[in-house]
Amino acid sequence: GQNIDQPTEMTATEGAIVQINCTYQTSGFNGLFWYQQHAGEAPTFLSYNVLDGLEEKGRFSSFLSRSKGYSYLLLKELQMKDSASYLCAVQLSGNTPLVFGKGTRLSVIA
Amino acid sequence: IAGITQAPTSQILAAGRRMTLRCTQDMRHNAMYWYRQDLGLGLRLIHYSNTAGTTGKGEVPDGYSVSRANTDDFPLTLASAVPSQTSVYFCASSDAGGNEQFFGPGTRLTVL
Repeated sequence: GQNIDQPTEMTATEGAIVQINCTYQTSGFNGLFWYQQHAGEAPTFLSYNVLDGLEEKGRFSSFLSRSKGYSYLLLKELQMKDSASYLCAVQLSGNTPLVFGKGTRLSVIA
Repeated sequence: IAGITQAPTSQILAAGRRMTLRCTQDMRHNAMYWYRQDLGLGLRLIHYSNTAGTTGKGEVPDGYSVSRANTDDFPLTLASAVPSQTSVYFCASSDAGGNEQFFGPGTRLTVL
């Protein structure tokens, strides 16, 4: 089976930086996605990594190490609106559905 | 229509009844997907379709069926609903190559 692990819950302070880790053990790899999901809403796309390294997009960055089966999502200058679940997902091969981790619920506190 | 729509938004259903959840996208995406999301279990793939006329089974297909008669529509049918099918159902789509998936707003289904 496919295994994608991420912490269940995290808490961080407004204005701080938080790193959400994701490790994966899968039968194939064609890219890793991060999604944000606010309570009661649909997931929305944040980032995509297919090569090793850091991808930066405003306050959000995502890192990938394929040799270690590891990714993280870095959120800077945290805002209250960043309180949400963050989902890590792996695409096993081209044109196949994503396999999702169970998500990390992030709470941003004042 | 803009993006992906799902209907109904929510539904309460008696066990044993038949139910079809509707999903329509206007982005001309080739691939479409159905997921269910349950607390503590995350998003799990039920069925998918890479292109009109083809479908495939996901991680949890039992009790569900799908069809893909055209590019835009991908209905999910529960032939005889059971309480364990109480969940939030999300439809999603992506263009060829399985890039970024776009999700619909979801359907909250309760089976009593």
